[in-house]
Amino acid sequence: EIVLTQSPGTLSLSPGERATLSCRASQSVSSSYLAWYQQKPGQAPRLLIYGASSRATGIPDRFSGSGSGTDFTLTISRLEPEDFAVYYCQQYGSSPPVTFGPGTKVDIK
Amino acid sequence: EVQLVESGGGLVKPGGSLRLSCAASGFTFSSYSMNWVRQAPGKGLEWVSSISSSSSYIYYADSVKGRFTISRDNAKNSLYLQMNSLRAEDTAVYYCAREDLYDFDPWGQGTLVTVSS
Repeated sequence: EIVLTQSPGTLSLSPGERATLSCRASQSVSSSYLAWYQQKPGQAPRLLIYGASSRATGIPDRFSGSGSGTDFTLTISRLEPEDFAVYYCQQYGSSPPVTFGPGTKVDIK
Repeated sequence: EVQLVESGGGLVKPGGSLRLSCAASGFTFSSYSMNWVRQAPGKGLEWVSSISSSSSYIYYADSVKGRFTISRDNAKNSLYLQMNSLRAEDTAVYYCAREDLYDFDPWGQGTLVTVSS
């Protein structure tokens, strides 16, 4: 089973700052199989990034994804007030087919 | 508009059963694999189960294997999760999600399942 580790657990930043979130896998993950989601309180998760670096429909270009192998990064170039949320990475593998990271909370400093 | 709407959650005693439903609209349901993902209160996301478009391939998390059964009715554009032998640790919001290649998009709004005596 591929285990995903996200760091930091919490990121305290101010609006306008840059956020860099890390997702590390216990073994190599195909870039095609790595996605990022945003979840706000009381809401369902929303797909942000698929294939490690492709933005989903309607996602602003301040969100970007990068990485390969075991290390992946989600970057928010300039935080907007609506970006304060929890972010999860997810990989699609073989057994089990899907695993999620524990999440990174981005909160207001 | 692509939409997923879950229903069927509620309060159930340990050892009891519950059947969740997910109604899909706005896309060709029969062309997509579907998944259930849950989230315990204050916790992260846990994948539960997946079913391929024609029900040929079904997978479960170890935590629910043998207790939960996923199914679908393509004629009714509906996804189901039959949950038996429920435990306190199954308490969570259960989301259905469309599998779009290797990711999930969109997700339903979720339905809360509470297992408590």
